[in-house]
Amino acid sequence: AQTVTQSQPEMSVQEAETVTLSCTYDTSESNYYLFWYKQPPSRQMILVIRQEAYKQQNATENRFSVNFQKAAKSFSLKISDSQLGDTAMYFCAFMKQNTGNQFYFGTGTSLTVIP
Amino acid sequence: EPEVTQTPSHQVTQMGQEVILRCVPISNHLYFYWYRQILGQKVEFLVSFYNNEISEKSEIFDDQFSVERPDGSNFTLKIRSTKLEDSAMYFCASRWRSSYNEQFFGPGTRLTVL
Repeated sequence: AQTVTQSQPEMSVQEAETVTLSCTYDTSESNYYLFWYKQPPSRQMILVIRQEAYKQQNATENRFSVNFQKAAKSFSLKISDSQLGDTAMYFCAFMKQNTGNQFYFGTGTSLTVIP
Repeated sequence: EPEVTQTPSHQVTQMGQEVILRCVPISNHLYFYWYRQILGQKVEFLVSFYNNEISEKSEIFDDQFSVERPDGSNFTLKIRSTKLEDSAMYFCASRWRSSYNEQFFGPGTRLTVL
């Protein structure tokens, strides 16, 4: 079974600063995908960034980047130059390759960006 | 930009009643999912649906649950006889084709069973 752990239930960061959200996972699979989703208050989850496990290079999307450590089964999200609109719940998700492609989610980290 | 929509946003029902939660996935998507999140807990997979049949389901998805795509646009989740522990936020999601494609989530339906 796959498990995803987010050990930080709540975090806060000053506007324009950098913050890192932690995620670890446990799996015996070798091929999989990892995702970070963002859920703003009263809005649906939207994809922030994704990483294929076979790629060594860390994914980046503008101010968002990941630190993917496959051996350590760690997948942290770094948000640079934090903006007020980054305030949201952030979910880390794991997906096995070539199955029904269900997601396994962590419990989420509530991030507040302080003006 | 196309979005997944869900209705109703909040459903209140009595224990033992049947409820149907509705979702309209993005129109050219091929894979459909239901997840749920009990308050304070993680989002959990319920079922995936492809080519008009269930492709995978979790142990949560017992005989009380069913899914249907009745008209090629809606994707519904039915709970036949609701229990108190079914109270949760239910999310629908859809995906286009390959494993690489992200799942697009709806805003959720909050189900409260009294």
